[in-house]
Amino acid sequence: EIMLTQSPDTLSLSPGERATLSCRTSQRVTDKQLAWYQQKFGQAPRLLIYGISSRVDGVPDKFSGSGSGTDFTLTISRLDPEDFAVYYCQQYTQSLWTFGQGTKVEIK
Amino acid sequence: EVQLVESGGGLVQPGGSLRLSCATSGFDFSRYSMDWVRQTPGKGLQWISHISTDSRTTYYADSVKGRFTISRDNAQNSLFLQMNSLRDDDTGVYHCASGFLQNSFNYWGQGTLVTVSS
Repeated sequence: EIMLTQSPDTLSLSPGERATLSCRTSQRVTDKQLAWYQQKFGQAPRLLIYGISSRVDGVPDKFSGSGSGTDFTLTISRLDPEDFAVYYCQQYTQSLWTFGQGTKVEIK
Repeated sequence: EVQLVESGGGLVQPGGSLRLSCATSGFDFSRYSMDWVRQTPGKGLQWISHISTDSRTTYYADSVKGRFTISRDNAQNSLFLQMNSLRDDDTGVYHCASGFLQNSFNYWGQGTLVTVSS
């Protein structure tokens, strides 16, 4: 089973700053099966990025995904107040779906 | 508007059973594979089970294999999860989810809370 490790656990930043979130997988991700989600308190997760770098329709272009192999990054170019939330990466391989433990982006 | 609404959660004793339901609307349910994902404070998001559009293919996480059964009714646009032999660590919010974008989940329900405790 592939393990996903996100870092840092918590990211303390100010509005307007750039956020860089990391997701490392224990095995190579194949066929670009890596996604990112945003979750706010009391809400269901929201898909932001799929296929490593493709934004879902309606997701602002301040969100971008990148990476390959075992190292992946979600970048928020400029934080707005509504972006402070928990972010999860997720991968799929061999009939198993796995999530990272999450990175909380909090207001500094 | 796409809607997924879970129900059936509650408090159950260890060893007990529950049947969760997910009623859907706003999309062509019969054309989408469906999944259950649970969320716990300690372990975050954990994928539980998957079912294909025609119910012929199902997958389960090792932690629930042999205890949980996923099913669907395409005529009723509904997804189900039969949970037997429940354990304390099955406690969590259970979301139904679906998607078509490279095995990610772009449709989610709000979840139903399952509490396993004596």
